[in-house]
Amino acid sequence: KQEVTQIPAALSVPEGENLVLNCSFTDSAIYNLQWFRQDPGKGLTSLLLIQSSQREQTSGRLNASLDKSSGRSTLYIAASQPGDSATYLCAVRPHHNTDKLIFGTGTRLQVFP
Amino acid sequence: SAVISQKPSRDICQRGTSLTIQCQVDSQVTMMFWYRQQPGQSLTLIATANQGSEATYESGFVIDKFPISRPNLTFSTLTVSNMSPEDSSIYLCSVGREAYEQYFGPGTRLTVT
Repeated sequence: KQEVTQIPAALSVPEGENLVLNCSFTDSAIYNLQWFRQDPGKGLTSLLLIQSSQREQTSGRLNASLDKSSGRSTLYIAASQPGDSATYLCAVRPHHNTDKLIFGTGTRLQVFP
Repeated sequence: SAVISQKPSRDICQRGTSLTIQCQVDSQVTMMFWYRQQPGQSLTLIATANQGSEATYESGFVIDKFPISRPNLTFSTLTVSNMSPEDSSIYLCSVGREAYEQYFGPGTRLTVT
């Protein structure tokens, strides 16, 4: 059974720091992995999607990497800003014939001025 | 991307009653998904809704408790029946698109008293 874990559970950093959020999954046979952002009481915003054949994806100050063999993904946020404060979720799609996503436990990020 | 709206955005309901949540997408999609996010928890898939067929429920979720309709390719409803305080959660619908990136609605925050 696929399980997805995120470390740390919470993180508080000063503005301007570069930071790394971690996502681990127990079964390396995934189809893709997606990172989301969730603001308090709100829905999810898709940040980055990495297909199983890819090593990384970049969007602005965000960079996500994928190491399937070791069951890990990282989300790198450069030059963090208070507006980055949110909960970050990773989710894996187990295989190509299902659209079901298995979500991680989330990392709650606070960036203070 | 896909634009997804949900109604209501939030509601407070009494124990034993039912609430129907609507999800509308701005374009036609084959599959829509309903997730639950209990307080402080990550997202769990309730069911997958295909147009023209019965919804497929995940382990632990049953049709009598969470009936789903999918009358066309842009709309779905989820009903939470005979509610108890344990049903207090955020309910989110999502759709899959373009290389299987998933998009989520803004969520419905349900409180059962």
